[in-house]
Amino acid sequence: AQSVTQLGSHVSVSEGALVLLRCNYSSSVPPYLFWYVQYPNQGLQLLLKYTTGATLVKGINGFEAEFKKSETSFHLTKPSAHMSDAAEYFCAVSEGYSTLTFGKGTMLLVSP
Amino acid sequence: GAVVSQHPSWVICKSGTSVKIECRSLDFQATTMFWYRQFPKQSLMLMATSNEGSKATYEQGVEKDKFLINHASLTLSTLTVTSAHPEDSSFYICSATGSRAANTGELFFGEGSRLTVL
Repeated sequence: AQSVTQLGSHVSVSEGALVLLRCNYSSSVPPYLFWYVQYPNQGLQLLLKYTTGATLVKGINGFEAEFKKSETSFHLTKPSAHMSDAAEYFCAVSEGYSTLTFGKGTMLLVSP
Repeated sequence: GAVVSQHPSWVICKSGTSVKIECRSLDFQATTMFWYRQFPKQSLMLMATSNEGSKATYEQGVEKDKFLINHASLTLSTLTVTSAHPEDSSFYICSATGSRAANTGELFFGEGSRLTVL
């Protein structure tokens, strides 16, 4: 069965600082991995996804994530945080043709 | 592409009434739609999965007579909260997948509906 662990329910950074949101997964087959962002009172928006091919995936708003099979990780990064990045971030895994499994989410707080 | 629209965004109702929330895929055919419930500061809880033209599959602990799901067409699914009570107040989010993304599990989400039962 697939599962996702997001380390840290809250991450605080200063504006301009590096953003690192951690995600580890468990899957019995090569996984498909996703990062979604949720702003208050809104649905989820896809930031980026890994399906096959290049393990470093670039997404919207300057975010990127690297699939590391040996570490079963898919950490989300952004070189320089903006105030507008403050939101809830969800990592998710799928084994293909299966229900997406979400992590518990990480709230990113950005201070001036 | 792959836009999912949910309506209404906000709804307030009296206890005992029923509320219907619509989820539409605007530019693709949604072979499968999912309904989630989200409590404050928590992750999404999958309530049910519905395929067009068939009965929804409910997750354990979700009352199917309370939360009626209909997926009558490839572009529309509805969630009806029957005889709503204050404890049903929550944020409900729908999502959909189409044939082009089904093999990866990628989901496209609606904007969510905030239900408040007085």
